[in-house]
Amino acid sequence: KAGVTQTPRYLIKTRGQQVTLSCSPISGHRSVSWYQQTPGQGLQFLFEYFSETQRNKGNFPGRFSGRQFSNSRSEMNVSTLELGDSALYLCASRPGGATINTDTQYFGPGTRLTVL
Amino acid sequence: TQLLEQSPQFLSIQEGENLTVYCNSSSVFSSLQWYRQEPGEGPVLLVTVVTGGEVKKLKRLTFQFGDARKDSSLHITAAQPGDTGLYLCAGDNFNKFYFGSGTKLNVKP
Repeated sequence: KAGVTQTPRYLIKTRGQQVTLSCSPISGHRSVSWYQQTPGQGLQFLFEYFSETQRNKGNFPGRFSGRQFSNSRSEMNVSTLELGDSALYLCASRPGGATINTDTQYFGPGTRLTVL
Repeated sequence: TQLLEQSPQFLSIQEGENLTVYCNSSSVFSSLQWYRQEPGEGPVLLVTVVTGGEVKKLKRLTFQFGDARKDSSLHITAAQPGDTGLYLCAGDNFNKFYFGSGTKLNVKP
């Protein structure tokens, strides 16, 4: 079974630009979550999509948005980039049907975003 | 402010030593997970604990979930250089995951 894939792996943008990151979950997984990882704040939850609907959201500004397609692939968009958005963006997939999480969450390798 | 506090932040030990990493919170979680992350990769799940007081063993790693489901510990016996990495705990609050700040472990041969 192929793992979670994320594209691109590395990205350099300038302040004010917008960026779209892509995540392909493991086949059969309907839940995709996005996280931001920085040295200062650690791993922070952005949002989760399940069956094309946003099921949960973290405490990030509206510049961060996402969507999920019918094949469970997900995209994350950040508009009006700021220097502080430089981070490793990770997505994770799991089957997602359980209310209490006993699913294994599988992470992709991440997209390293640098904002200049 | 982190919902989950991990300690210590850094740990550098010799091969063969034992160590314990702690993960504490004032919040109750429906489950708690431990991950290990290596440079350039995403975190990999080690274990999920669900029941208060639960203890799980994975070879030389022992995981414990506190009775009140607010804290957890990871104990490694006879650490090896291959255990080197960033260890993260994560609490699940109705499908919202909160990660600790992580413990960077370096095991010297």
